[in-house]
Amino acid sequence: NAGVTQTPKFRVLKTGQSMTLLCAQDMNHEYMYWYRQDPGMGLRLIHYSVGEGTTAKGEVPDGYNVSRLKKQNFLLGLESAAPSQTSVYFCATVLGGKRGELFFGEGSRLTVL
Amino acid sequence: GDSVTQMEGPVTLSEEAFLTINCTYTATGYPSLFWYVQYPGEGLQLLLKATKADDKGSNKGFEATYRKETTSFHLEKGSVQVSDSAVYFCALPARQSGGGADGLTFGKGTHLIIQP
Repeated sequence: NAGVTQTPKFRVLKTGQSMTLLCAQDMNHEYMYWYRQDPGMGLRLIHYSVGEGTTAKGEVPDGYNVSRLKKQNFLLGLESAAPSQTSVYFCATVLGGKRGELFFGEGSRLTVL
Repeated sequence: GDSVTQMEGPVTLSEEAFLTINCTYTATGYPSLFWYVQYPGEGLQLLLKATKADDKGSNKGFEATYRKETTSFHLEKGSVQVSDSAVYFCALPARQSGGGADGLTFGKGTHLIIQP
């Protein structure tokens, strides 16, 4: 039982390049989230999904897009990476009815040069 | 909006010392409150929670009591170990438009360092 798996775990991009982070979960959880973690800022919610085919904006959505075509996968895309998007990205899931009890992936460290 | 404020670290203690990490919240009503822990190189893990006023959450020797009078949820442990070195986050449910099971609003985190 892998839980929440994020790929890739590390990536270096040049400004303007695009990439996609994949979050895969095998717990059949309805809700999925993408956060970014920055020093002194804690975690901030980028986008979230309450079910297959649905997405919504969080606190800091600009510059990111997401998709949830399958229940088990939640993709975070950067169309044109900027240095301000250098961060550690975490995916999290929660079972419906267990609000606040998030399961996190191990994180994806992204550096934009 | 709803928010949490927690003491910023790093907090450095010796092994077997008593630990308190302060957390206060601002919210409408009485939301559930959470403490998460992040060990080096890992994602966050739920440490404990309290769902209503005066509740005490506990796990792995850590405790926190939901005090609505002081809007606080301080994390305590009687005797810390080197293995408790981590970053600790206080959190409460976020309020997002559209309903659904929204995420959490996290504090900025407190880095705890336990020295042998």
